Amino acid sequence: SYVLTQPPSVSVAPGQTARITCGGNNIGSKSVHWYQQKPGQAPVLVVYDDSDRPSGIPERFSGSNSGNTATLTISRVEAGDEADYYCQVWDSSSDHPYVFGTGTKVTVL
Amino acid sequence: QVQLQESGPGLVKPSQTLSLTCTVSGGSISSGGYYWSWIRQHPGKGLEWIGYIYYSGSTYYNPSLKSRVTISVDTSKNQFSLKLSSVTAADTAVYYCARELRGYSYGVFDYWGQGTLVTVSS
Repeated sequence: SYVLTQPPSVSVAPGQTARITCGGNNIGSKSVHWYQQKPGQAPVLVVYDDSDRPSGIPERFSGSNSGNTATLTISRVEAGDEADYYCQVWDSSSDHPYVFGTGTKVTVL
Repeated sequence: QVQLQESGPGLVKPSQTLSLTCTVSGGSISSGGYYWSWIRQHPGKGLEWIGYIYYSGSTYYNPSLKSRVTISVDTSKNQFSLKLSSVTAADTAVYYCARELRGYSYGVFDYWGQGTLVTVSS
């Protein structure tokens, strides 16, 4: 089955930029979605289709996808951005099409 | 604003069947273009998709759980349900229901329930 690999953790100072990567074989050919999950809460969709934002999600959240790596970028990081972030794709070639990444803990220093 | 709410027992004995219901408000489960999924998260771990149902009753399950999973829908109550049989401690997790928006792409879970912790223990 398709595997998505994320770094376990990313640390960033307030006001700086956090970049969270999601690696997968030829992931650039798939649509990537990103979720933010704060402790004790349900995941929240922050980016879909590589780079689109749902209504209500700040412009500070952006995404890109090319080759074997998709990236979620959080600009001007705030304390409230501290959370786990998961990438996700739908793999049409698999009998287990809904694939989530391993998750990245973003710590705001 | 669409809202999803899980309900069901928080404690299930080993070998029994886990049963959860997701009640959808703020929108009709019968609206086309949406698929209704169950997703779980083991304590301190990542997300695992369990299966989905369409309002017509069409289902698709994670192959690793398929033999034990049944998802059903009750459009009159705007609810869908999960049954997971022969549970073990490995099924202890937070269970989420979620709505999948299907349009240009698949797999966009745009609304989630708050999640409910189910513990399997005697």
